[in-house]
Amino acid sequence: DQQVKQNSPSLSVQEGRISILNCDYTNSMFDYFLWYKKYPAEGPTFLISISSIKDKNEDGRFTVFLNKSAKHLSLHIVPSQPGDSAVYFCAASGGGSNYKLTFGKGTLLTVNP
Amino acid sequence: KAGVTQTPRYLIKTRGQQVTLSCSPISGHRSVSWYQQTPGQGLQFLFEYFSETQRNKGNFPGRFSGRQFSNSRSEMNVSTLELGDSALYLCASSLAQVNSPLHFGNGTRLTVT
Repeated sequence: DQQVKQNSPSLSVQEGRISILNCDYTNSMFDYFLWYKKYPAEGPTFLISISSIKDKNEDGRFTVFLNKSAKHLSLHIVPSQPGDSAVYFCAASGGGSNYKLTFGKGTLLTVNP
Repeated sequence: KAGVTQTPRYLIKTRGQQVTLSCSPISGHRSVSWYQQTPGQGLQFLFEYFSETQRNKGNFPGRFSGRQFSNSRSEMNVSTLELGDSALYLCASSLAQVNSPLHFGNGTRLTVT
């Protein structure tokens, strides 16, 4: 039973355009959500997070939106750069156990020059 | 500030053997978590340690164990290795505060032959 789903295995965008990565969850106990970026042969790198009391969080080119009623979150990258090409993982936790993350399967983002 | 350090980076073992993986968290981080990443199952939570105590454990057999030392460094042990244990093992540390993100190391790639 996949509690966190990233339905797009891959996404390709042009440099300078917006990248939108999507994530759906089923567990209503989740109250903390994170996005990680992963390059080959490296561990996941924390990008941005959002708690369930907010619906938007921004950090530079990265913005995460949370729609609790739809159990959906998205990561917007504007403008996209070739260095953003990586696998992006959505993760969630709940009940104060922020060390126990449930991950989606990831979306491979390719930003073309 | 140094990141999460995992050793060794690569390991090759044969079925039936045991293996110990090591993790040094970010300075000041007292929570250490371990995750397994495989192509089929994605990233899955193994267990978490805080102040030398295991607080939570994922759905893995008892062959997977760990411990944490007084300096917050952690080790993970897998006994009686099986082919299916071949995976990337990731260690992550955090401040163990509400909504503090996990920071991952680059992992240990274990191959069981």
